[in-house]
Parts: sequence; C-alpha cells; structure tokens
Amino acid sequence: AQKITQTQPGMFVQEKEAVTLDCTYDTSDQSYGLFWYKQPSSGEMIFLIYQGSYDEQNATEGRYSLNFQKARKSANLVISASQLGDSAMYFCAMREGQTSYDKVIFGPGTSLSVIP
Amino acid sequence: DARVTQTPRHKVTEMGQEVTMRCQPILGHNTVFWYRQTMMQGLELLAYFRNRAPLDDSGMPKDRFSAEMPDATLATLKIQPSEPRDSAVYFCASGLRQGALKTQYFGPGTRLLVL
Repeated sequence: AQKITQTQPGMFVQEKEAVTLDCTYDTSDQSYGLFWYKQPSSGEMIFLIYQGSYDEQNATEGRYSLNFQKARKSANLVISASQLGDSAMYFCAMREGQTSYDKVIFGPGTSLSVIP
Repeated sequence: DARVTQTPRHKVTEMGQEVTMRCQPILGHNTVFWYRQTMMQGLELLAYFRNRAPLDDSGMPKDRFSAEMPDATLATLKIQPSEPRDSAVYFCASGLRQGALKTQYFGPGTRLLVL
C-alpha cells in the first residue's frame, strides 16, 4: 500500500496567487517527519521544508508553509505569492520507522505550473 | 557552499557492463541515501547508511546491485551486470541526524542509460 499519497498529478496557479499541494500519509509510528522537495526541470532535488510529528507549530520557510493536520494524517504544502520559478514537480516525503532509523520515502509528486 | 557531489553526471553503457556511481556527502553528515528515479516508479529508496554502516538495502535488487561506504567521504553504488531496465537517474543524498533526521540534501544525480 502506498504510504504517501499526492492526489493532484498536475496543478495550475496564477502568478502571485497562493496554492496548496496536498499530501496524505500512512504510518503507525508516533515519531515521524515530513518533508517537501521541489524538482525543477533541471532535475535537481531541492529541500523546502520539514515538519516533525511532535512539532506543535506548523513549519514555515519564507513563502512555504506546511499545513500539518496530524489527526487527518495530512501535510499540505502552501506556497504563497506564486512566482514563475515555482513551476516544478513537488514531492512530499516521510521519515518513518523506529527512532534509530531514518528511512525516507517519497510520494509520486505533483506537477505545478505557474501561469503569468 | 557545501554540496553533495556525484560522479559521473551521465553514463551510457551497454548491457552487461559494470557501472559504478560515486557520491561525496556533505562533510559532517552521518546519513547517506541512494535513490533511483524513473518515470514509472518515481523515487525509490535503494539503500541508506548511518555512520558508514548499511541500515537498510531492502529496496535494492541484491543480485546485481551493491552499495558501500569505504570511508566517510565516499559512497558507491555498483551495478554488475547492468541491464536496460536499470536506466534511470540515481540520486545520492546526505543528512545530519541529531536525534532525528530533519533534512536531506541531494546531489545532482547520475543519469544512467543502459543500451
């Protein structure tokens, strides 16, 4: 069974608008972490933001924020004031396993296109 | 500006040949990952190491793939013999685990084409 679900294969957003990329996950661990990465057409993987399962506040990094809803097992990425350079694939990932392990697995990704 | 480096960046080889990919993690990072990315399968975790010890390589085809960390500055992924289905982008990533792993930094990837 897929552990990380990103239900939006493709998204479009108008420049300067905010956009939410969905991510739901499945784990029975109490301690886990959630990551978002950006992969532009150049192919590099860029780390954006991290949320720990015990973090009380939602993570924020500049224009990126993570809407963490633990009970719903969702960790949506919100990009505010979209820019043309935000057009890319976005991957949600989860670190799970016992605390001595750091197995990080990825979702299938969402393609975001920012329209001028 | 610390970065993960990978060599080679591109590799074209013929079926049956041995392929070795190298990764230099960020200095001081204690966790190293190998991923494979294809259109069909997405990003698959092949193996990962902590303090040079392999923790999990269950994602790796054991009969032809092997991963090692001969020292803290070098991780290798070897395919022998290579097959056309191994064509993919192979990423190395490193992170610093202090209590919990909170970041992973990826290298630029090795684009492998097996003919």
